[in-house]
Amino acid sequence: ETGVTQSPTHLIKTRGQQVTLRCSSQSGHNTVSWYQQALGQGPQFIFQYYREEENGRGNFPPRFSGLQFPNYSSELNVNALELDDSALYLCASSFDRTNEKLFFGSGTQLSVL
Amino acid sequence: GQSLEQPSEVTAVEGAIVQINCTYQTSGFYGLSWYQQHDGGAPTFLSYNGLDGLEETGRFSSFLSRSDSYGYLLLQELQMKDSASYFCAVKGGTYKYIFGTGTRLKVLA
Repeated sequence: ETGVTQSPTHLIKTRGQQVTLRCSSQSGHNTVSWYQQALGQGPQFIFQYYREEENGRGNFPPRFSGLQFPNYSSELNVNALELDDSALYLCASSFDRTNEKLFFGSGTQLSVL
Repeated sequence: GQSLEQPSEVTAVEGAIVQINCTYQTSGFYGLSWYQQHDGGAPTFLSYNGLDGLEETGRFSSFLSRSDSYGYLLLQELQMKDSASYFCAVKGGTYKYIFGTGTRLKVLA
């Protein structure tokens, strides 16, 4: 059974650019959620995808968007990057959208200069 | 607003028992979870309480009181490897998770 994998591990972008982060969910999981974690803070919920549809969203602007693919892998896209977008981006998968146990990947560290 | 309050830092010695409290204020509530995160690592699920009471998993226990909007994580027989950040998290609405700011636990030899 493979765990949750994210790519890339580190990324440096400049303000105004666009970025795509990728996540492969754990085998057998159909639900993926994305989180932003600033240094010294808890993860902030961005959104959740279940069977290729967004079914939950946190307080993030529309320039944060995502996709889930038929194999349940997922992408997080961020447009018009701002300095405050610098953070660790975590992906988590779960067996089902109602399941409480989230399995996290190690994250992508994004730096916006 | 929605918030989860935890102590920012707790220090204890090896072999001791430590309790990390979490109080929450959310517009909806389905349950309280706890996660452990070592520096540079991914959060790891520890426990979930959907109903009032105590849940025990090895050295870790978690408690929930829905009427008090309060829960805690109890770590027994502390080990050096338990040094990490601990987050409480609430499923506060349909498919929406809210995490606390985290408690940094330092275990001293």
